[in-house]
Amino acid sequence: AQSVTQLGSHVSVSEGALVLLRCNYSSSVPPYLFWYVQYPNQGLQLLLKYTSAATLVKGINGFEAEFKKSETSFHLTKPSAHMSDAAEYFCAVRLQGGSEKLVFGKGTKLTVNP
Amino acid sequence: DSGVTQTPKHLITATGQRVTLRCSPRSGDLSVYWYQQSLDQGLQFLIQYYNGEERAKGNILERFSAQQFPDLHSELNLSSLELGDSALYFCASTKGRGISTGELFFGEGSRLTVL
Repeated sequence: AQSVTQLGSHVSVSEGALVLLRCNYSSSVPPYLFWYVQYPNQGLQLLLKYTSAATLVKGINGFEAEFKKSETSFHLTKPSAHMSDAAEYFCAVRLQGGSEKLVFGKGTKLTVNP
Repeated sequence: DSGVTQTPKHLITATGQRVTLRCSPRSGDLSVYWYQQSLDQGLQFLIQYYNGEERAKGNILERFSAQQFPDLHSELNLSSLELGDSALYFCASTKGRGISTGELFFGEGSRLTVL
């Protein structure tokens, strides 16, 4: 079965520091992978997606993620954190067959310190 | 604003009761998904409808049911409520039958508290 594991339920960085949120996937076939962000009291919003084209994917708000098949990873990075990046981030994999529903990781809460 | 509307935003009720959560998808979207978000389980897929027909079922309890109406809005019915049903319930929509390379557009959720 396809799944994703997010390492670290909480990550804290200083403003201006590198953001690295980790996601590893489990899939027997090439997956489609997504990162979603949830700001406080809001729904989830797509940050970026990997759909078997370029392995380095750029998203909104300066985030990017690299698909590494050898490491079964899809880590999310941003060179310089901003206070407004404080949110919860979810990695998701698309299940194949049927409805192609998304399976989400448990989420990583990012705190940005001034 | 994702274009997906969920009502009510907050709901407090007692154990044993029944509630209905409503979702209006984005204009033009035919698929509606329901997810439950809780602290211990994370985001769990419940059920999907496409153009009025049930298309996929996830971890949805027998006490829960849903439907999608001809105008494409959807309702999630939760009955015989238990304390453990307290969670944030999200509706999401997309244009096609599945996600493919597209994305899900999420509403802001309905927070259910069962006392």
